[in-house]
Amino acid sequence: DADVTQTPRNRITKTGKRIMLECSQTKGHDRMYWYRQDPGLGLQLIYYSFDVKDINKGEISDGYSVSRQAQAKFSLSLESAIPNQTALYFCATSDRGQGDTDTQYFGPGTRLTVL
Amino acid sequence: AQSVTQLGSHVSVSEGALVLLRCNYSSSVPPYLFWYVQYPNQGLQLLLKYTSAATLVKGINGFEAEFKKSETSFHLTKPSAHMSDAAEYFCAVSNFGNEKLTFGTGTRLTIIP
Repeated sequence: DADVTQTPRNRITKTGKRIMLECSQTKGHDRMYWYRQDPGLGLQLIYYSFDVKDINKGEISDGYSVSRQAQAKFSLSLESAIPNQTALYFCATSDRGQGDTDTQYFGPGTRLTVL
Repeated sequence: AQSVTQLGSHVSVSEGALVLLRCNYSSSVPPYLFWYVQYPNQGLQLLLKYTSAATLVKGINGFEAEFKKSETSFHLTKPSAHMSDAAEYFCAVSNFGNEKLTFGTGTRLTIIP
């Protein structure tokens, strides 16, 4: 089974709808991240969380919110989706210390289309 | 602040030829540097990383990269390309203890049979 899972894998929605993307991990890592990927732009950090009570905005947080329900779960919400939020979204995890500092492990991605 | 520049959004090489993907970084403190690979319809997978130990880093699938501080570079190489190397490659930088990665815009590698 995959260590980092994302649901759904694909989603098509309409402008104005509220959408939640979910991420779960079994790696036991304390740090989790949400990125979006757009062609030609690489990955941009949306939000990150270093533990359950520590949530921080990334480069492009406008229009998004997150919830860290437990160490293993980190959800990304689009309160009112708009077409330019159409992208590939990735969740990632990393572990403080343990000799693997800074290495992030990625989920398979969620392809979101906003019509 | 930190940043990464990947020169060449698309690179094509013949099967068996040398692969060279370029990455230059900017960082105000000694950096950690990473190369990730993304195969079609998959997430990112770590190829290799530099964390201030040996400057020549060997990764998976025969790839390696050399950290050159004087050139602020971390180019990725593989002596002989294989068809299975076709993918998108991302260079990334972080500052020690920060764990926030800044990614380059990626290089799509095509292998010509």
